[in-house]
Formats: sequence, structure tokens, C-alpha cells
Amino acid sequence: AQSVTQLGSHVSVSEGALVLLRCNYSSSVPPYLFWYVQYPNQGLQLLLKYTSAATLVKGINGFEAEFKKSETSFHLTKPSAHMSDAAEYFCAVRTTSGTYKYIFGTGTRLKVLA
Amino acid sequence: DAGVIQSPRHEVTEMGQEVTLRCKPISGHDYLFWYRQTMMRGLELLIYFNNNVPIDDSGMPEDRFSAKMPNASFSTLKIQPSEPRDSAVYFCASSPQGLSTDTQYFGPGTRLTVL
Repeated sequence: AQSVTQLGSHVSVSEGALVLLRCNYSSSVPPYLFWYVQYPNQGLQLLLKYTSAATLVKGINGFEAEFKKSETSFHLTKPSAHMSDAAEYFCAVRTTSGTYKYIFGTGTRLKVLA
Repeated sequence: DAGVIQSPRHEVTEMGQEVTLRCKPISGHDYLFWYRQTMMRGLELLIYFNNNVPIDDSGMPEDRFSAKMPNASFSTLKIQPSEPRDSAVYFCASSPQGLSTDTQYFGPGTRLTVL
């Protein structure tokens, strides 16, 4: 069975500081991994996805994530936080076995301080 | 493109009533997903369809929940009878066939309150 664990339900950073949101996965087979962002009262929007190509994945809005098999991690980073990055971020996994069943983490709420 | 359209955006009903949530996926998308989001359980996949056929409904909580997709442009999620614990935000998402299937496009959600 696949699962993801997001460490830290709330993260605060200063504007201009590095954003680091942590995600660890558990999967018995090579996983596909995703990061989504959710702004208040909106649906989720895909930031980036890892589907077994390059281990460093670049997404929208300046975010990127690195797949590290040895650490079973897929942490999300952005070099410089903007106020507009304040939102909730979800890590998700799905098996590569052909089904499109996604398992989402519990989310990390990012607060950006002026 | 209008994106994924969900209706109603808000629904307040009393326990025991039937509730029907509606979704119009993005035109040309072959996959449709229904999710439920609550504070306690987070975001859960309820069911997904491919070409209007239900593929995996293992996330549907119980027989009170049912989902249909009569054609490529419309899907419903029905709860009958509704209970207070069904209160949640229900999202519909769609994605295309092929290499971009993993890129899901979410609707704005329906906030359901069961009194």
C-alpha cells in the first residue's frame, strides 16, 4: 500500500526566505509523486509531478522538488517566498501499477510573514 | 475553457434528506474523480471513472453513497439518506487520457452541511 507523510501541518517563513515543505512516501513499487496547492475556497492545482523521469522536477510558480529514493522523500522547495505563496500544500502518491488511485497527505499550511 | 464546473457550490440540508452533487468535467477529458475533504480525514478519493465507466469505487464510504456518469460531460454523486458526518467539501476533478492523465484539474468544490 502507498502512503505519504507530510511533516509539519503549519510552516511559517518570512517573505524572501527559503520555502521547504517535507514529504516522505511509502510504496512497495516505484511511485509517482505529486505536489498540489490549494488556495482558500478553491480546488487543488497541480504544482509538479514526478513520473520516473528526472529526479529534480520543476513546477509552476518557481517551485521544485527532488525525488530521493534512498530517503523516500519528495520535499518541495522554493528559493524565495512571496506573500502569494500562502496556501495549503498537499503531497500525493499513486502506484505505477496502472490504477489512477491517488493517496493524499494531510497537508501543510504555509504562512508567509511580511 | 471554463474548467471543471460543480454545482451547487454550497448545500445545506437536514439529516435524512437526499443530496445530489453535480459535476461537468473539462471537455475532452476521459477521467473523472470524486473526492471528499474533511478536517479529520483530509482529502480522500471516493470513486473514479474512465470513459464514463466506474473503475475504482473502493473509497465510497457506504451504500448511502452512489455515483453515476451517464455521459462524458456530466456526473453526479448522490447521498441518500444524508447524515451529519457527511458534512464536507466534495471535489470533482478531471484529467485527459495519455501522458497527462496524472494532471488532474479540480473544480471549486461543493461545501455540504448536513444538519
